[in-house]
Amino acid sequence: ETGVTQSPTHLIKTRGQQVTLRCSSQSGHNTVSWYQQALGQGPQFIFQYYREEENGRGNFPPRFSGLQFPNYSSELNVNALELDDSALYLCASSLQGENGYTFGSGTRLTVV
Amino acid sequence: GIQVEQSPPDLILQEGANSTLRCNFSDSVNNLQWFHQNPWGQLINLFYIPSGTKQNGRLSATTVATERYSLLYISSSQTTDSGVYFCAVSGSARQLTFGSGTQLTVLP
Repeated sequence: ETGVTQSPTHLIKTRGQQVTLRCSSQSGHNTVSWYQQALGQGPQFIFQYYREEENGRGNFPPRFSGLQFPNYSSELNVNALELDDSALYLCASSLQGENGYTFGSGTRLTVV
Repeated sequence: GIQVEQSPPDLILQEGANSTLRCNFSDSVNNLQWFHQNPWGQLINLFYIPSGTKQNGRLSATTVATERYSLLYISSSQTTDSGVYFCAVSGSARQLTFGSGTQLTVLP
């Protein structure tokens, strides 16, 4: 069984630009969640998708948006990047939360 | 939302020593997981343990849901055990809420 894969692994963007991060869920998982982890902190929940619809959102502004595709893969889009968006972005998949979540290795985004 | 507190925040051990990490949470949960974050950032799932006790090699975990805490035991620690250990829980909202982590350093 394949795990959760994320791309790219590293990314450098300029303030004001837009970025798209990608995630392929673990085989058989139908729920995908995105988390932001700033340096020295625990991951913070951004949003979750189930059956291609957002079904939970954390305290993040609308410029953070996402998609889930029929094959359960997902994208995280961030518009109008700010310096504080620099962080490790983690994707996690599960079977509707049952038996826990499996995380990918993350995308490290640097905004300059 | 659910609050998660982990202790201690930092722990330094000599190789071969045992340790106990604690996670307190503020409300009933239907999911509790312990993760180890390696130096490259990946969160490795150690245990899915909303209640009860589990063991995997030198690691074991116990969650007492009625008293809202979980413990992670590491026995005969090795230098490769170094890293940050996170406890994460979810309630009815399903999304995980993470504690602030325990930074473990195992010295050779």
